[in-house]
Amino acid sequence: DTAVSQTPKYLVTQMGNDKSIKCEQNLGHDTMYWYKQDSKKFLKIMFSYNNKELIINETVPNRFSPKSPDKAHLNLHINSLELGDSAVYFCASSHAGTSSLRAFGPGTRLTVT
Amino acid sequence: GENVEQHPSTLSVQEGDSAVIKCTYSDSASNYFPWYKQELGKRPQLIIDIRSNVGEKKDQRIAVTLNKTAKHFSLHITETQPEDSAVYFCAASIRSGGGADGLTFGKGTHLIIQP
Repeated sequence: DTAVSQTPKYLVTQMGNDKSIKCEQNLGHDTMYWYKQDSKKFLKIMFSYNNKELIINETVPNRFSPKSPDKAHLNLHINSLELGDSAVYFCASSHAGTSSLRAFGPGTRLTVT
Repeated sequence: GENVEQHPSTLSVQEGDSAVIKCTYSDSASNYFPWYKQELGKRPQLIIDIRSNVGEKKDQRIAVTLNKTAKHFSLHITETQPEDSAVYFCAASIRSGGGADGLTFGKGTHLIIQP
């Protein structure tokens, strides 16, 4: 099944914990992204990786650290979780500079208590 | 950086009527404008896109228009159906030959189709 997949789908954790979200795409895309969607549905890019190289790093706290072991994977590690980190995190992929569509993963709903 | 404004935030139309969602962008270098549909609890899905060398694009009941001079683009849905109910996002980016292009999204329009 060709797609962008994320794990876990739901993540409930306490403040101060460290957690990771994993993303994999088998579409052959060379660019992967992390987006955050807050409670007001606003979608904002956090990171973008092209061929395992960080291209975009928006103003996010350095508690967030993306890691791309290869072109098909982009993981997001979050240290010292805070209440404001609660959101849905979407991974996405595309082929840079072409007309292929940007495919989003199913999202990970993170709840920090 | 790019700033995308989207209106209205909520749009309610009768089934069968047309719906129009409008967006403006600030960076004249932006040249790629996709629209995404997000149903409740689901991921955003690309429904149509347009590039700056095209003024209008149509796909069945969905059309997008682009006015580069005024820096605005619109989504038009005709003969609306209940399954069109969702949140719609416009976005803008600069698509270059290499590297990654980060989309800047509008804040979304909640489209409600009244039966």
